Amino acid sequence: GAGVSQSPSNKVTEKGKDVELRCDPISGHTALYWYRQSLGQGLEFLIYFQGNSAPDKSGLPSDRFSAERTGGSVSTLTIQRTQQEDSAVYLCASSLGRSSYNSPLHFGNGTRLTVT
Amino acid sequence: DQQVKQNSPSLSVQEGRISILNCDYTNSMFDYFLWYKKYPAEGPTFLISISSIKDKNEDGRFTVFLNKSAKHLSLHIVPSQPGDSAVYFCAGTDDKLIFGTGTRLQVFP
Repeated sequence: GAGVSQSPSNKVTEKGKDVELRCDPISGHTALYWYRQSLGQGLEFLIYFQGNSAPDKSGLPSDRFSAERTGGSVSTLTIQRTQQEDSAVYLCASSLGRSSYNSPLHFGNGTRLTVT
Repeated sequence: DQQVKQNSPSLSVQEGRISILNCDYTNSMFDYFLWYKKYPAEGPTFLISISSIKDKNEDGRFTVFLNKSAKHLSLHIVPSQPGDSAVYFCAGTDDKLIFGTGTRLQVFP
């Protein structure tokens, strides 16, 4: 019974470089979410997938951020030309269906991204 | 515009006493609310939820109260235990989960 797996757990990158963050959701979970937590902040919604499509991308902070999901499973979050303000913990979560009263999100342990 | 607010960044409670964590929201369209608990270097884990049509939900030591007219909810933990020390996030949803900034609870012996 593996949970949500994220890799890498830590990533240090230089300003201006591109980074890819990976999320393996729980098997069978059709819904997948990306959130981020900046220092001293709450969990900020980025994007939601249902299957391979992303009906809600409203939280992506800029066009430098993109995400995709393939095979209804693995998702990658890509940040192009990273900036120091992108430094945060990026959290992935999955659920059986759309998050609801009886279908809470299951989170991974996150990727801590540091942009120097 | 922060739709979910947790105005107390931290709370310290003695073991065995009651912990009360508060949360306010502005979005009247939220149809249910959840509390998540987060330990350092781990992802948040689901704790308890409540539908907007209810005013109380209880699960063991944890009880969530919802006051819709005040747009306020609270999480009660009784009795508090040292293992409850963590950051607690309140969240509301009408479509996607919107989280508050969290309250760090410390339970001391």
